[in-house]
Amino acid sequence: GAVVSQHPSWVICKSGTSVKIECRSLDFQATTMFWYRQFPKQSLMLMATSNEGSKATYEQGVEKDKFLINHASLTLSTLTVTSAHPEDSSFYICSARDRGRDTQYFGPGTRLTVL
Amino acid sequence: EDQVTQSPEALRLQEGESSSLNCSYTVSGLRGLFWYRQDPGKGPEFLFTLYSAGEEKEKERLKATLTKKESFLHITAPKPEDSATYLCAVTPANDYKLSFGAGTTVTVRA
Repeated sequence: GAVVSQHPSWVICKSGTSVKIECRSLDFQATTMFWYRQFPKQSLMLMATSNEGSKATYEQGVEKDKFLINHASLTLSTLTVTSAHPEDSSFYICSARDRGRDTQYFGPGTRLTVL
Repeated sequence: EDQVTQSPEALRLQEGESSSLNCSYTVSGLRGLFWYRQDPGKGPEFLFTLYSAGEEKEKERLKATLTKKESFLHITAPKPEDSATYLCAVTPANDYKLSFGAGTTVTVRA
């Protein structure tokens, strides 16, 4: 149980284009989903928290207009990187928390490369 | 501000050589302390949640313990497949956001 999927696993795009990453909880309802970014040899950095049906809450320093988050249902959240640039290249990971539970379960991650 | 410090940064073990990883934390009221395992290029895999001092949890060769200031992850008789980065994280009493430590990278040689 507690499986979280992400799609795509990796994506390469040209500078200036937008990329959408999907995060799904497969066997539970995710009250809250989180989006993280991870640079090589570093730990996870929380970007934003999203609750189903409400606006995402972004961490300080994260541009909300650049990283659009939508949590339209209890099993799906999307992260759209708008007008991507090479500095946005990173490993993006989502996590989901089941209603009434404390543990976050993580997806497998999405490797974004912007050329 | 919540803070999590993990040591050592890296640990090289011979197969069968038991060892412990340390996670020191400061948090405004602890909701939970979490251990995850992360393999290169993958998302973290959940291992344990600990809630109160004195609590212990075990899974195969791993055992996690918790005090009021730190947690230990004990690896007993490790195998090469235990090689990974082990992440410790905490959530405060009034939130569900995880604050992560930098991780301990464990390498187990056959």
